[in-house]
Amino acid sequence: DAKTTQPPSMDCAEGRAANLPCNHSTISGNEYVYWYRQIHSQGPQYIIHGLKNNETNEMASLIITEDRKSSTLILPHATLRDTAVYYCIVRPHSGNTPLVFGKGTRLSVIA
Amino acid sequence: KAGVTQTPRYLIKTRGQQVTLSCSPISGHRSVSWYQQTPGQGLQFLFEYFSETQRNKGNFPGRFSGRQFSNSRSEMNVSTLELGDSALYLCASSVLSGRTLYEQYFGPGTRLTVT
Repeated sequence: DAKTTQPPSMDCAEGRAANLPCNHSTISGNEYVYWYRQIHSQGPQYIIHGLKNNETNEMASLIITEDRKSSTLILPHATLRDTAVYYCIVRPHSGNTPLVFGKGTRLSVIA
Repeated sequence: KAGVTQTPRYLIKTRGQQVTLSCSPISGHRSVSWYQQTPGQGLQFLFEYFSETQRNKGNFPGRFSGRQFSNSRSEMNVSTLELGDSALYLCASSVLSGRTLYEQYFGPGTRLTVT
């Protein structure tokens, strides 16, 4: 079972920041937070991951709370092409634990 | 660098038949995982292969099997197809360096329809 809780859907105006929350209150000390997204009928796409520090790459920023029980994925300037289902996943960084996908958040970017 | 490729992209089979799907990982990636995605169950892990050995297996019946070749390419087979096997089958590859598992990169999937 997925160890994360995400809102089922969100809307965001084009050009604005999209902030996608994720609760992972039972996260263990060795578990990282991963974010993937899936655009309709395509394979999931890796976005970003982090342990406890905030992370930023060319696609997004990841903000993890100090107690690590929740996180927020930020798309700084959402475009129509960011419309997708976003999955928040927690898993150890080492070993061979498979990704367990929950239902994710369906983000709709509106013109 | 080329991404993960899956063949075929679309497939229609009849109940009772068997099917083989193929996945070529990103060059240098040695781990291949397979997932099934359906509207009702979402994305579910099938199995993972590394160096031709199955490392992990999800909760699927024995009709679902796989293998990995020495060049890291992988195939999965579903025998005695059922209507409920209709799904998008996704393959993901990753670098497995020592004991650290990097993020997985997914292919576009194979859409299987069982009639």
